[in-house]
Order: sequence, then C-alpha cells, then structure tokens
Amino acid sequence: DTEVTQTPKHLVMGMTNKKSLKCEQHMGHRAMYWYKQKAKKPPELMFVYSYEKLSINESVPSRFSPECPNSSLLNLHLHALQPEDSALYLCASSQAGTGREQYFGPGTRLTVT
Amino acid sequence: RKEVEQDPGPFNVPEGATVAFNCTYSNSASQSFFWYRQDCRKEPKLLMSVYSSGNEDGRFTAQLNRASQYISLLIRDSKLSDSATYLCVVVNQAGTALIFGKGTTLSVSS
Repeated sequence: DTEVTQTPKHLVMGMTNKKSLKCEQHMGHRAMYWYKQKAKKPPELMFVYSYEKLSINESVPSRFSPECPNSSLLNLHLHALQPEDSALYLCASSQAGTGREQYFGPGTRLTVT
Repeated sequence: RKEVEQDPGPFNVPEGATVAFNCTYSNSASQSFFWYRQDCRKEPKLLMSVYSSGNEDGRFTAQLNRASQYISLLIRDSKLSDSATYLCVVVNQAGTALIFGKGTTLSVSS
C-alpha cells in the first residue's frame, strides 16, 4: 500500500554493467531521497533532492549517479559497481522543508557479481 | 558518542506483554523525532512521530525528554504482528536528513 514505488524489485548486475534504479511517488512531495541499507544495518543516506535539485550528496562514489527528471521521479544510475555495493537501495519522499517524516518505497535489492 | 543509540535487543516477549524501547541522541539541537518499524527484508515504515508533549496511537506511546536527549516507545498488549525491528530516527540539525539508530528487534511469541 506504499505510495512510493520502485523498480526493479531485484537486480543482479556485473561489475561492467550499467543499470538504473527507478523511483516514483504520487504524494505531491517535493523532496526525494536515496538510501543504501546493508543487512542488519540501518539505512544510510546517499542523496537528497529538493524541488528537483540535488541538495545533499553524502560523499557517494561517482559510480552512483542520481537524476531527478521531475517532481515525481527519481533515478539512480549505476556503473562499474563493486561487489560491496550489493545492498537494498531505498527511495523515500517527504514534503519539502525541514524535519518532515519520510515515506519509503519497497526498495531494490541489488546484487553485484 | 554515536548520534542515535538504541539497545539492539532482541526483546523476546509473550503476547499481551508491555515492552519499552529507549533511544538516546547526541545532538541537542535536533528538532524532529520518529519511530519507524521495519519488517525483515522490507522497507522502513513510519510508526509515529514523537512530540515533546508525548503522543499515543492505540497501543503505542512515544515520549521525548529533551533535557536528557532521550526518546522512548511503549507498546502495550503486544501482538504477534508487532514482531519487527523498531528504528529510532532523529532529524539532523539542518533538518534535511534522517539519522537512524541501529534498531531494536522485538519478537512476540504465543
């Protein structure tokens, strides 16, 4: 019943592949986020978009490239990943402004071989 | 001191029990606080926001003590379906990002 959708649900890719993760929200939120979550760890923030502009990049390696085509969509482009990048990638959205609760999509489970 | 600290548990309780989770945060300037619930291999879901005056939602009660930089979650009359990991979440000082605790695992048994 989440209003944040993510595709694909699962992705297996080699280290030389290029792939993209997609996220869409229909709540009219103007802030969107990418998180990475490893097993038995809490989510870690990667990127924040506010009003379609990148506002925070948490020192993420350049092999991860975010894109926000419009206020409802958020992509994460992947290139030359490493096996240690295997994780659950979560997209979230919130109303713009400070301290707002975030709503998460179901995530994409990524395995890099 | 870590930004958000929680007792990882696990907490193993029988159905009907009352259980309390605690969380401390390091940044006294933090303004917003939440509890999220995460089931195994699923996304975090917002359980409730935490307000200074304390707030209740059915069997769940959240409390905030700003002086002690302490947040709590009380679950009454535990159900099997409450079994999950409970994440204490604090918004960073800039108000732009969530900082998650490592989570407390609850297992409710019949």
